[in-house]
Amino acid sequence: DAGITQSPRHKVTETGTPVTLRCHQTENHRYMYWYRQDPGHGLRLIHYSYGVKDTDKGEVSDGYSVSRSKTEDFLLTLESATSSQTSVYFCAISESGSGEISYEQYFGPGTRLTVT
Amino acid sequence: SQQGEEDPQALSIQEGENATMNCSYKTSINNLQWYRQNSGRGLVHLILIRSNEREKHSGRLRVTLDTSKKSSSLLITASRAADTASYFCATDARSQGNLIFGKGTKLSVKP
Repeated sequence: DAGITQSPRHKVTETGTPVTLRCHQTENHRYMYWYRQDPGHGLRLIHYSYGVKDTDKGEVSDGYSVSRSKTEDFLLTLESATSSQTSVYFCAISESGSGEISYEQYFGPGTRLTVT
Repeated sequence: SQQGEEDPQALSIQEGENATMNCSYKTSINNLQWYRQNSGRGLVHLILIRSNEREKHSGRLRVTLDTSKKSSSLLITASRAADTASYFCATDARSQGNLIFGKGTKLSVKP
């Protein structure tokens, strides 16, 4: 988990409230990702970023938005949280992207979000 | 949609035994990676094997890749209790652009 932090680590919120999760890296990696992990589904990509202000959707992007105003920070926002968004959220970073030579991803410790 | 699928879903062995996990995928890939996740933690990258490689070693880990069968295996030799974790394969599909993770194999190594 070195070089990647997520905040908060745990959050309980009510349905309909906005929630923002933060990912911070000190590695200066170009790519950043948000995943959610649910039993029976494994890890699914929500959104990713390939540079400052450059973001794109992943497999399960509905209900989520992201922003990246600095290399080191990638924010995930749930505009109006729903119970189906109860999950563990992981941020990941990588130096390069798909098809490039080195494409290992490094993961943060995760944020456990409960929507009641 | 799931690109990689691990098999078995769960595996329980005794310390010192070897553990083999398999991953099957559907489309052509640039590379395949294996990750480990300890309970309550983030994933940790273990090894990457490129589509033009057939076998790769890293310490007690041995990964094979058979692109004709669209499958990979991860072998952990002389397992230890500390190897207890979930193991995921992830594929970098040529057509898709991002890593796609399987659902994982949960390995339990009993002392």
